Order: sequence, then C-alpha cells, then structure tokens
Amino acid sequence: SQQGEEDPQALSIQEGENATMNCSYKTSINNLQWYRQNSGRGLVHLILIRSNEREKHSGRLRVTLDTSKKSSSLLITASRAADTASYFCATDSSASKIIFGSGTRLSIRP
Amino acid sequence: DVKVTQSSRYLVKRTGEKVFLECVQDMDHENMFWYRQDPGLGLRLIYFSYDVKMKEKGDIPEGYSVSREKKERFSLILESASTNQTSMYLCASSGMKGLRTEAFFGQGTRLTVV
Repeated sequence: SQQGEEDPQALSIQEGENATMNCSYKTSINNLQWYRQNSGRGLVHLILIRSNEREKHSGRLRVTLDTSKKSSSLLITASRAADTASYFCATDSSASKIIFGSGTRLSIRP
Repeated sequence: DVKVTQSSRYLVKRTGEKVFLECVQDMDHENMFWYRQDPGLGLRLIYFSYDVKMKEKGDIPEGYSVSREKKERFSLILESASTNQTSMYLCASSGMKGLRTEAFFGQGTRLTVV
C-alpha cells in the first residue's frame, strides 16, 4: 500500500515561477523526506523534516509538515530548467520502513 | 562520497530464469531496501533488512526473496523470473537505527524479462 500520495501527478510551470507539490500520508511517522529523481536514475535526497518540526528550509526549497492533517508540501522557489525531474515524498515509521509515494513529475518550461 | 552500488544497470533475462540483483553499500548502514519502480506506481517496497540476516517483507514480496549475509550487501532474488517482473529495481540504504536518516540510492537496474 502506498503510504504517501503526491499531488499533482504532473506539473508544468514557466522558468522563474514557484512550484508547489503536496504529499498526504496515512499513518503516524517519525519523519518525512523529499527526494528527486532525474529520468532513469536513482533518487537523491533533498530534505528531511522530523515529525516535531513544522517547516524547514534548504536553499530554494521549503518544506512544511502538518501532522494533524497528515500532509506535507514542497515548495521550490524561482524554478530553473535543471529542476525538471520527478519528486517523491517518503515516510519513515517506527518499523524502519521507508515508504514512497507515486511522485510528481515537474517540468520547467524555458 | 557515500556510495550504493548495484551490480548491473541493464539486464535481460528469460522467463523462468533465477535472477540475482546485487547491491553493496559502503556506509556501514544497518538498513537496506529493495524497491521496484513502474510508471504511475512510484516506488514500491519489496523487502527490507534492518540487520545482517534479518529481513522483512515490504508491500510486494511475492515472487522475490532476499539475502543479507554481510552488512554491506543485500541481494534480491527472483526465483523464477516472469514477464510481469520487468521493471526498474532500486536498492537503497539508510543508517542510525535509533535516529532516522535519509536513504541513499543506487543507480537502479532496469530488468527486462522476455
């Protein structure tokens, strides 16, 4: 079963605009992570937010976590062509499993 | 640089063959994972291991088995490959059992079963 579900499934924006992706999950978590995947490659970790944190920043990335709604969002500001990729949220429960969602495909138009 | 290495980028196997996918990590991580990735389905967890010789089923273990004889190596075994196991297989590791950290991924193995 999918723990995380990303929304939207696909997003196309103009270079320079902000991109927002959302993730919902079902069970309680220790932390939530966001990953990026370029086409045909492995995933690369972007940012981790712990269950007792509400917001975290890293460069052009901003992640929020609302444990009461079991949801998270990833904001990429001032998007660039190189941000074109798929983005996944992943949740880590006490069982040590890391469960991924189905991902958002982000396309940045020049 | 930390590294997770999968033995093959591309594999073509015949239906009924026994297939071994190997994964090695050099970070002394306790946890290792095998996922498969299919279009529109994201990453689905097949098996994971939290210690040597320890394993737990993920969401889709049917048709697969795993082996973890050494901490750095986690093998995925397709006992009798079938065409519906054609997929991208991703291995990952993560560390610090009591303090979760991010997962590091290999580059993936694209397996085609014909």
